[in-house]
Order: sequence, then structure tokens, then C-alpha cells
Amino acid sequence: QQPVQSPQAVILREGEDAVINCSSSKALYSVHWYRQKHGEAPVFLMILLKGGEQKGHEKISASFNEKKQQSSLYLTASQLSYSGTYFCGTRGSARQLTFGSGTQLTVLP
Amino acid sequence: DAGVIQSPRHEVTEMGQEVTLRCKPISGHDYLFWYRQTMMRGLELLIYFNNNVPIDDSGMPEDRFSAKMPNASFSTLKIQPSEPRDSAVYFCASSSTGTSGKYEQYFGPGTRLTVT
Repeated sequence: QQPVQSPQAVILREGEDAVINCSSSKALYSVHWYRQKHGEAPVFLMILLKGGEQKGHEKISASFNEKKQQSSLYLTASQLSYSGTYFCGTRGSARQLTFGSGTQLTVLP
Repeated sequence: DAGVIQSPRHEVTEMGQEVTLRCKPISGHDYLFWYRQTMMRGLELLIYFNNNVPIDDSGMPEDRFSAKMPNASFSTLKIQPSEPRDSAVYFCASSSTGTSGKYEQYFGPGTRLTVT
């Protein structure tokens, strides 16, 4: 079952904050976040493991609520380089990831 | 490390032709994944291997698609015969079991396939 991401798209100004959400209908072992720029491959950002851990990557952090089977990606003081499509990938008991449909983030100067 | 290597980067072929996509995973990685990405369907897992053995091929769309991994450093995805609806970007990704339990996947640059 594909996880649901929201919003589908967001436009913000440089320096503003954004939150991207990912929710699943099944129990999760981990949530993986990727960013993909146009014409390029998805790039790994971070993994959230079962246990409510919050991981950070520069000014990008994320949380994982395993009870609600939800994860949120937080982009603080966004930069132009943050523009791209963000995907969450969820992993249940099996090894493979199932990806959401993506959230297109545009940061304007 | 050079990362995941895919070839060709672009492929244009006519309907009915055989297409072979190639992937070299990151050295030491024991998992290899093949994905297809289209605007309509997003990023779909086609098949994945562990230690060269196919584990789950439930995402392979139909019998026209086949994948092999003859050794730890090489995998192919073959489409025969190809159809226009196969046009997509095909990504290969690899991952290591390691000891962290994190299983992050690293993607190759992709092969953009166009079937006319």
C-alpha cells in the first residue's frame, strides 16, 4: 500500500519553513526520505527508525510516530537548493520500500 | 566509490525491439533494486535481489520483463518485446545489510527509455 504524502506541492520563499507529511495504513519499521531534482536520481536524505527517533540533516529534520504510522519532514529556513520533489519510502516487515507520490517543493528567492 | 552505475543513460528504440538495461551496484552492497518512474505511476519497485537471488518480483508488470543478477557486481533488466507504454526512467539502487539496520538505498542515475 502506497503511503500518502501531503501536501502535493508547496511554494515558499527563501528562509521560510515547510513541513511535509507521510502516512501509511500499515505498521512500519522505518521511513526513508529522499529528494529528487528534475532529471536526476533520488538522493537519500535520512532514515527514521521505529521508536520515534528524530533525525537531522543540516536544517532538514524529521520525526516518526510509529503508533500513528506517520512521519513528517521539517525544512527550516529553506534555501534555493532545497527545491525538488521529496519522497517518503516506507518499509514494513519486508525489505523493500514503497514510495509515496511525492511533494514538489519550490523555493523562490 | 563510484556509486551505482547504470547504462545506457538514454535508450530510444522501436516497439517490438528487445531492450537491455544494465546496473553495477556499489561494491559490497548485497541488495539490488530495480525501479521504474513515470509521471502517472510515480516510483514503482519492479524487483529486488539479495545476494544475487531474486526475492520479490511481484512488481514486474508482465512476462515481457525479466531481470537477472549473475554476480554481485552486475544486473540486467530486459524488456522483450518493448512497447510504447514501457517508456519511463528505470532506476537501479543498491543497499547494504551492514550492522546499522538502516538499509538506506543509493540510486543510480537512471536510464531514460523511450519506445516509439
